[in-house]
Amino acid sequence: ELKVEQNPLFLSMQEGKNYTIYCNYSTTSDRLYWYRQDPGKSLESLFVLLSNGAVKQEGRLMASLDTKARLSTLHITAAVHDLSATYFCAVGGSEKLVFGKGTKLTVNP
Amino acid sequence: EAQVTQNPRYLITVTGKKLTVTCSQNMNHEYMSWYRQDPGLGLRQIYYSMNVEATDKGDVPEGYKVSRKEKRNFPLILESPSPNQTSLYFCASSPVDRGYTEAFFGQGTRLTVV
Repeated sequence: ELKVEQNPLFLSMQEGKNYTIYCNYSTTSDRLYWYRQDPGKSLESLFVLLSNGAVKQEGRLMASLDTKARLSTLHITAAVHDLSATYFCAVGGSEKLVFGKGTKLTVNP
Repeated sequence: EAQVTQNPRYLITVTGKKLTVTCSQNMNHEYMSWYRQDPGLGLRQIYYSMNVEATDKGDVPEGYKVSRKEKRNFPLILESPSPNQTSLYFCASSPVDRGYTEAFFGQGTRLTVV
């Protein structure tokens, strides 16, 4: 059974600082996704990672995938308040998608 | 505009009264899925569908039914809702012809069962 663990679950950081969110999963999988959710809103796709060593960057966010370690990271560089949201990783193949519990990120001035 | 549309957005109902939450996508996606989101539990998959007339259980299917008679629609049916089905529900769709399945999510339906 595929299990996905994110940590930390809560992250409070200051503007301008760097931090990393981790996503571990239990079984081999085709692909890994990162989503962002603002309070009361739907999920917005950030990254899709398809192969070992994949790295994608968008603005202050960079995601990477190590399939051998079954680990993905979402790195935040020089955080700004607008990045405050809950971030989910999700792992799956073409049928089932299993989500982590999410990391609630708060960026303080 | 490409989108996944859920209705209603908010619903309060009583225990045992059958209800349907509709989901429609205009992107011609083969794959559709329903999730529920509960505090501290993340999103859990209820049912998914690979195409018309092809549905299968996710991780938490008990108490729910779905149907896929048309490609664009994937309604979620609660035959006899109970308070433990109070949750935030999301419908999602994705293409399967590009070798990956990035899901596009609807705006969510907040259901309260009293």
